[in-house]
Amino acid sequence: NAGVTQTPKFRILKIGQSMTLQCTQDMNHNYMYWYRQDPGMGLKLIYYSVGAGITDKGEVPNGYNVSRSTTEDFPLRLELAAPSQTSVYFCASSSGQAGGRSPLHFGNGTRLTVT
Amino acid sequence: DQQVKQNSPSLSVQEGRISILNCDYTNSMFDYFLWYKKYPAEGPTFLISISSIKDKNEDGRFTVFLNKSAKHLSLHIVPSQPGDSAVYFCAASDNNDMRFGAGTRLTVKP
Repeated sequence: NAGVTQTPKFRILKIGQSMTLQCTQDMNHNYMYWYRQDPGMGLKLIYYSVGAGITDKGEVPNGYNVSRSTTEDFPLRLELAAPSQTSVYFCASSSGQAGGRSPLHFGNGTRLTVT
Repeated sequence: DQQVKQNSPSLSVQEGRISILNCDYTNSMFDYFLWYKKYPAEGPTFLISISSIKDKNEDGRFTVFLNKSAKHLSLHIVPSQPGDSAVYFCAASDNNDMRFGAGTRLTVKP
């Protein structure tokens, strides 16, 4: 009964490095999301997916890429890390039974620092 | 552009009293609204929701009120308990995606 699992919990990157934030869910949810939370700014949607093989941009997609090859996994890729990408990243999933209105189940986040 | 706004960064109430958290939105296409609660070092968890066809939804100590004409919703917690101390996020959806406010940190003092 793990729900949404994110790895790693913490990471420090140097400017220009790349990395992949992992996200997996065991609830057989169709919809998956990546958000970032900056201090005082709430959660901003980066990318989302309504099913395997389908991805769409959210509010702040620049500098990121995603893929959805399976229902369970939705990794987020940072190709050239920049200080502006310092943030806490949350992955979430939902059943999608009510479309984009379905309540989200969140992972515990990945705290990323780019220096 | 901030389509969902929580203008109070923090709120402090006494245990047993009512907590009222407010949220405003600008996009009239939003038709479903949710509240999430977040403890430190954890992800947000879903608390309660309301459809735009209703003006009130109640679940135990938690009640959400929606005023569509004012584009305003509020979360009432009665009675407040120390365990309710957390950051509360308001969210709104138009079926395409879910937009979040900046959050309000609630502190319930014993």
